[in-house]
Amino acid sequence: IVMTQTPLSLSVTPGQPASISCKSSQSLLHSDGKTYLCWYLQKPGQSPQLLTYDVSRRSSEVPDRFSVSGSGTDFTLKISRVEAEDVGVYYCMQNKELPTFGQGTKVEIQ
Amino acid sequence: EVLVVESGGDLVQPGGSLRLSCAASGFPFNIHWMSWVRKAPGKGLEWVANISPDGSAQFYLDSVKGRFTISRDNARNSLHLQMDNLRTDDTAVYYCAGSVHYWGQGTLVTVSS
Repeated sequence: IVMTQTPLSLSVTPGQPASISCKSSQSLLHSDGKTYLCWYLQKPGQSPQLLTYDVSRRSSEVPDRFSVSGSGTDFTLKISRVEAEDVGVYYCMQNKELPTFGQGTKVEIQ
Repeated sequence: EVLVVESGGDLVQPGGSLRLSCAASGFPFNIHWMSWVRKAPGKGLEWVANISPDGSAQFYLDSVKGRFTISRDNARNSLHLQMDNLRTDDTAVYYCAGSVHYWGQGTLVTVSS
């Protein structure tokens, strides 16, 4: 399954919203009823940290300014108010089949 | 507290071998699929291999099939990746991951002459 993210880079003013699109080449809806789509943030010099899984379930300690919408093949990660600590590269990943990642979206602060 | 610690990364010549290890604690290791994911310089994340909770099933990225072997020891909460016939394009930071939730800090593998 090919994952395609847009845009590949984003420059955001603190306090403003931001969104990243992720499209999959096949539906991520599994026969068990779950949709296997995750989002990760890799901050500079750190390992990837899980933001959301099963489309919209936030990992522990992830602030509620992060949200995910979508279904099937089209998904969007939204940050309601970007903060300086949100800089890094964001990846979507499907794990309905053998895992594949999007190309990554680099988020910078203006 | 969840801890995932990789080790074994090193500089190795093309055609050489390396064995990566991952020690996990703080979560029920024996019920989770475990994976190795890598990030090459200037590139994005790439899943490499994973193994079922009981170790009976393993899956691999096409480019590492026949060269890499993933294994686990549930008695020791450990995961391994045997890497043979290494190529320069295997150069990357290798991360151990427990399901989608638990990630280590990574270990650097450099394949160069």
